[in-house]
Amino acid sequence: QQQVKQSPQSLIVQKGGISIINCAYENTAFDYFPWYQQFPGKGPALLIAIRPDVSEKKEGRFTISFNKSAKQFSLHIMDSQPGDSATYFCAASSPSNTGKLIFGQGTTLQVKP
Amino acid sequence: KAGVTQTPRYLIKTRGQQVTLSCSPISGHRSVSWYQQTPGQGLQFLFEYFSETQRNKGNFPGRFSGRQFSNSRSEMNVSTLELGDSALYLCASSLAGPGTDTQYFGPGTRLTVL
Repeated sequence: QQQVKQSPQSLIVQKGGISIINCAYENTAFDYFPWYQQFPGKGPALLIAIRPDVSEKKEGRFTISFNKSAKQFSLHIMDSQPGDSATYFCAASSPSNTGKLIFGQGTTLQVKP
Repeated sequence: KAGVTQTPRYLIKTRGQQVTLSCSPISGHRSVSWYQQTPGQGLQFLFEYFSETQRNKGNFPGRFSGRQFSNSRSEMNVSTLELGDSALYLCASSLAGPGTDTQYFGPGTRLTVL
């Protein structure tokens, strides 16, 4: 019940296309859902995060869509660029465990020029 | 504001040895969490410290331990190293107040156990 399942494992997108990564969770106590971007040799960097009281949040080219009833959330990267090539992780935490992020397995995104 | 810093960045040890990793959080952040990242298991939560107290613990053996100092800096220790402990160890800090779940990660310490 603590798991967060992420798909796909890898994704190849053409420059200018839309990249979509999906995550699903079981624990209804989760109330914070961040997405992180990680480049080789670096630590994860926060991209965007959402709470269950909104269904969508947009920051620049990055959008999170959240479906509370389906217990799913997704990251959309619009106008994908080669510089977006990285590994993306979804995560979740609950109010009783704010310092504990449960991560998805990660998606390696390659954006072809 | 300076980000989360971790030292050392790289470490090579042999089986049976012990190791101590250090993490300095962002100024003003009171919570420090540690994660282990491996290709097979992904990012796994080790433990979290807040106000010098362990507040959360993941599912790791007792060989993994940590502590937090009064200035919020944290250390983690792994005793009796095993080959499977080779990983990137990440520390993250957060404000830890209401509605401030955001964790900011350091660059990690790459531990290789031979």
